[in-house]
Amino acid sequence: NAGVMQNPRHLVRRRGQEARLRCSPMKGHSHVYWYRQLPEEGLKFMVYLQKENIIDESGMPKERFSAEFPKEGPSILRIQQVVRGDSAAYFCASSPVQGLLSNQPQHFGDGTRLSIL
Amino acid sequence: AQKVTQAQTEISVVEKEDVTLDCVYETRDTTYYLFWYKQPPSGELVFLIRRNSFDEQNEISGRYSWNFQKSTSSFNFTITASQVVDSAVYFCALSVGTTGTASKLTFGTGTRLQVTL
Repeated sequence: NAGVMQNPRHLVRRRGQEARLRCSPMKGHSHVYWYRQLPEEGLKFMVYLQKENIIDESGMPKERFSAEFPKEGPSILRIQQVVRGDSAAYFCASSPVQGLLSNQPQHFGDGTRLSIL
Repeated sequence: AQKVTQAQTEISVVEKEDVTLDCVYETRDTTYYLFWYKQPPSGELVFLIRRNSFDEQNEISGRYSWNFQKSTSSFNFTITASQVVDSAVYFCALSVGTTGTASKLTFGTGTRLQVTL
């Protein structure tokens, strides 16, 4: 499967726990984007990463949320001490290069549905 | 700052009717890209089209067509002879791009299309 892979597909956490969402970009893609979709809303940009580098985190909440894209392995979106308001679908997208060519269509994964009890 | 407005929250049509989904965007950049994505009930995001700001040619792909008008900052999407399988939420999105900058997507709030028999 050459697409963007996200896991888990569904994640249930209790308030106060940590949530880790993983994203493996398409083969050959070195740029990863995370978006959040609250119920009945559109997608909102959170963070843009390259390998070992955060390029734009202007959409990330200031506290409890962090993201990384290590040299090896998937990108991780980490939410500490989750609250009910974190319940959402989290989508990852990838693209091959930066700059003008980076406006190629971003290929999205199927998302992780996070539910907070 | 960029903004995308999809004023139609929900549209309901009977199969075989034509339907147009509206999208109005705002940006001060002269180089930008417009996208449409489909989100079926299963939840994944399906890329439909990308259009850059220098190409105002309308595009047709099967039953789908797109009308890009810079004069009114609109990028409308028409489905001809709608089918039940077209039932989904459709998102319009915008990214601005100059060399070296991130190309995060700004999404509209989506239009839910319901096609009934």
